[in-house]
Amino acid sequence: GAVVSQHPSRVICKSGTSVKIECRSLDFQATTMFWYRQFPKQSLMLMATSNEGSKATYEQGVEKDKFLINHASLTLSTLTVTSAHPEDSSFYICSACRDTGELFFGEGSRLTVL
Amino acid sequence: QQQVKQSPQSLIVQKGGISIINCAYENTAFDYFPWYQQFPGKGPALLIAIRPDVSEKKEGRFTISFNKSAKQFSLHIMDSQPGDSATYFCAASKNFNKFYFGSGTKLNVKP
Repeated sequence: GAVVSQHPSRVICKSGTSVKIECRSLDFQATTMFWYRQFPKQSLMLMATSNEGSKATYEQGVEKDKFLINHASLTLSTLTVTSAHPEDSSFYICSACRDTGELFFGEGSRLTVL
Repeated sequence: QQQVKQSPQSLIVQKGGISIINCAYENTAFDYFPWYQQFPGKGPALLIAIRPDVSEKKEGRFTISFNKSAKQFSLHIMDSQPGDSATYFCAASKNFNKFYFGSGTKLNVKP
């Protein structure tokens, strides 16, 4: 299957700092990428839809100034958690949709804010 | 409103048995129904998917059964193995614009 790479897999930061998570589609071009947040033992919560070359579409209740998304190319989307606080600690997962419609997920990034 | 409802929340099956996970959806415009498998600390992996124009799709030990009139679809895992122990998510999408996920089923296959 297609490969979506996410980096870093784990990050620990101090409260108030910003953290950037990268999502790359390695063997296909993705015009659309999605960012999810997952709490322990819960389902995936869609945060935003990232479209190459345009602004991301955020789901209701997700602060766009808090979670900055940039889809600079057809293979790279980034999520920046700005001024992170302990309540932002979570498992963040990106996914990329290839032209067949299949959705492939990255390995996820575990963010811990101290 | 929850677009996709999944049950059961957890499931225990003996090795060699059949695991069955069910999902129901509301929006008849959905045209793509994938299932994902997720191991702890990892991202979900696409397992199998179906379109509404067929009633069943089989790939190895995994089968999706689709009932369009009832707006339901299910995942069957034949000859379940301990390595199948994971959390399974169903999902639904219209034109691949947005994917709606079920709440997940934690499967435990006992040796």
